Amino acid sequence: GAVVSQHPSRVICKSGTSVKIECRSLDFQATTMFWYRQFPKKSLMLMATSNEGSKATYEQGVEKDKFLINHASLTLSTLTVTSAHPEDSSFYICSASRGVNEQFFGPGTRLTVL
Amino acid sequence: EDKVVQSPLSLVVHEGDTVTLNCSYEVTNFRSLLWYKQEKKAPTFLFMLTSSGIEKKSGRLSSILDKKELFSILNITATQTGDSAIYLCAVEEKGGTYKYIFGTGTRLKVLA
Repeated sequence: GAVVSQHPSRVICKSGTSVKIECRSLDFQATTMFWYRQFPKKSLMLMATSNEGSKATYEQGVEKDKFLINHASLTLSTLTVTSAHPEDSSFYICSASRGVNEQFFGPGTRLTVL
Repeated sequence: EDKVVQSPLSLVVHEGDTVTLNCSYEVTNFRSLLWYKQEKKAPTFLFMLTSSGIEKKSGRLSSILDKKELFSILNITATQTGDSAIYLCAVEEKGGTYKYIFGTGTRLKVLA
């Protein structure tokens, strides 16, 4: 139980295009989903927290107009990187929570912007 | 099916105790194993292990990987209340697609 998937697992796009990444909780309802970005040396940065049906809460320094997050249902959250640039190339990981102090992580999505 | 299992699920100790957290894995194309400490926001990276038998240390924390028996341990000596957190283990797969498989974490609480 408590499986989280991400799609796609890898995406390569041209600079200026938008890319959508999906995060799904497969066997539970996630009241909260989190989006992380991995930086060199494996550190993870929390980008935003989203609750189903409400606007995402973005961390300081994360552009909400560039990284659009939609949490349309209790099992799906999407992250859209708009007008992607090479510096957006990274590994994006989502996690889903069904309660306090509990997170289940997805496998990640590798984004490469050419 | 690839999986990462952490044990124990939770642990309560007193300051000064030594704890050992376990992470076992069944992953087809192993690349590396990572340990993270999660307190509030994002998990904080602790260690990345790729080779068997080589201990990595950082202060009171140390970790080692056994690729034959497919597990890793994270040791914390002389625990402090600030060590209270969820410790996550993740295995990175190699191949054409990057992929991480996270364990569900061990919740450690250190009492004063």
